[in-house]
Amino acid sequence: AQSVDQPDAHVTLSEGASLELRCSYSYSAAPYLFWYVQYPGQSLQFLLKYITGDTVVKGTKGFEAEFRKSNSSFNLKKSPAHWSDSAKYFCALERDSGGSNYKLTFGKGTLLTVTP
Amino acid sequence: EAAVTQSPRNKVAVTGGKVTLSCNQTNNHNNMYWYRQDTGHGLRLIHYSYGAGSTEKGDIPDGYKASRPSQENFSLILELATPSQTSVYFCASGQGRFAETLYFGSGTRLTVL
Repeated sequence: AQSVDQPDAHVTLSEGASLELRCSYSYSAAPYLFWYVQYPGQSLQFLLKYITGDTVVKGTKGFEAEFRKSNSSFNLKKSPAHWSDSAKYFCALERDSGGSNYKLTFGKGTLLTVTP
Repeated sequence: EAAVTQSPRNKVAVTGGKVTLSCNQTNNHNNMYWYRQDTGHGLRLIHYSYGAGSTEKGDIPDGYKASRPSQENFSLILELATPSQTSVYFCASGQGRFAETLYFGSGTRLTVL
């Protein structure tokens, strides 16, 4: 069965520090992996995705993520962090639901607080 | 910019009542989805659709129905609302290809008393 784990429910760091949000997945096939962000009071927005190829993918707002097949991880990174990065971040795995149709499985999310 | 609009933004319903949440997208996307977001669970898929006239069960469909009368509109229906269905509901659309990017609406906060 497929699953996504975000082990850190809440991460707090100071502005200017480097941020890394952890995501691990379990899937028997080649994974398509995503990060979405939800700013306070807003809906989810796409940040970046990994399909194949380069293991470091760059997204919007200065974020990047590294895919590591060896430990089934897809961690989100940014340096330096800014207070405006405070938000909830969701990692997601696209799974094959049959008939060439695909659905996303989301992790529980990590709430990031960046203090000025 | 892809646009997904949900209505209402907030809804208070009584137990046993019928609730309809509406979603409209102007992206001409084939796929549409309904998720609910609860603390400690992230987003969970309720129903989805591959196009007008189609609805499919997601991971937690019990107590919900869906309707896709047109490419643009996708509704979520709670025939007999229960307090356990108090949540924030998000609609999303996608092009229907692998590794599609989803575009989310602003959400509907539903409270069932």
